[in-house]
Amino acid sequence: NAGVMQNPRHLVRRRGQEARLRCSPMKGHSHVYWYRQLPEEGLKFMVYLQKENIIDESGMPKERFSAEFPKEGPSILRIQQVVRGDSAAYFCASSPAGSVSTDTQYFGPGTRLTVL
Amino acid sequence: SQQGEEDPQALSIQEGENATMNCSYKTSINNLQWYRQNSGRGLVHLILIRSNEREKHSGRLRVTLDTSKKSSSLLITASRAADTASYFCAERGNTPLVFGKGTRLSVIA
Repeated sequence: NAGVMQNPRHLVRRRGQEARLRCSPMKGHSHVYWYRQLPEEGLKFMVYLQKENIIDESGMPKERFSAEFPKEGPSILRIQQVVRGDSAAYFCASSPAGSVSTDTQYFGPGTRLTVL
Repeated sequence: SQQGEEDPQALSIQEGENATMNCSYKTSINNLQWYRQNSGRGLVHLILIRSNEREKHSGRLRVTLDTSKKSSSLLITASRAADTASYFCAERGNTPLVFGKGTRLSVIA
């Protein structure tokens, strides 16, 4: 059973370009979470999605950032018109449907975004 | 910020010694989880302790939870060089995981 897959692992963009980060959850998992990690910091929650639904986007910046998890295919985190401050590691996690008291999130290896 | 705090920020010990990391959190939790992150890698889930539990063991790991003090500790016994990593606690309330800033553990052979 493959783990959470993220691609690309490294992404370099110039200011003003768009960045698209992909996440394929573990087989059988229908919940996807995106986190951002700045150097020497913990992970900050961005958005929580189930298939075709955004459940919680309280951690997403109001502008330039969007996320989707279509019925078919991976979850996509999209950053438009990137700025240097967007440089970070972006992690995706997935979990099976289940109760809050027992959920465990399985993390992908991350995408390291560098904005020049 | 809702982010919790780990203490210490960095810890360096000799192989074979025990390592203790502490975590304070701010909200009412449903459970608290500990994760490990090796340099440049994703997070690996270590252990989950529910709010009605006080102590939990998994191999060389021992986690305690004190909800009255909103704190948790992670003990790694008989540490190994391979335990060198950053360790994060994450609180789970009604919102998705809130991570602390982590403790960087170095185990010297």
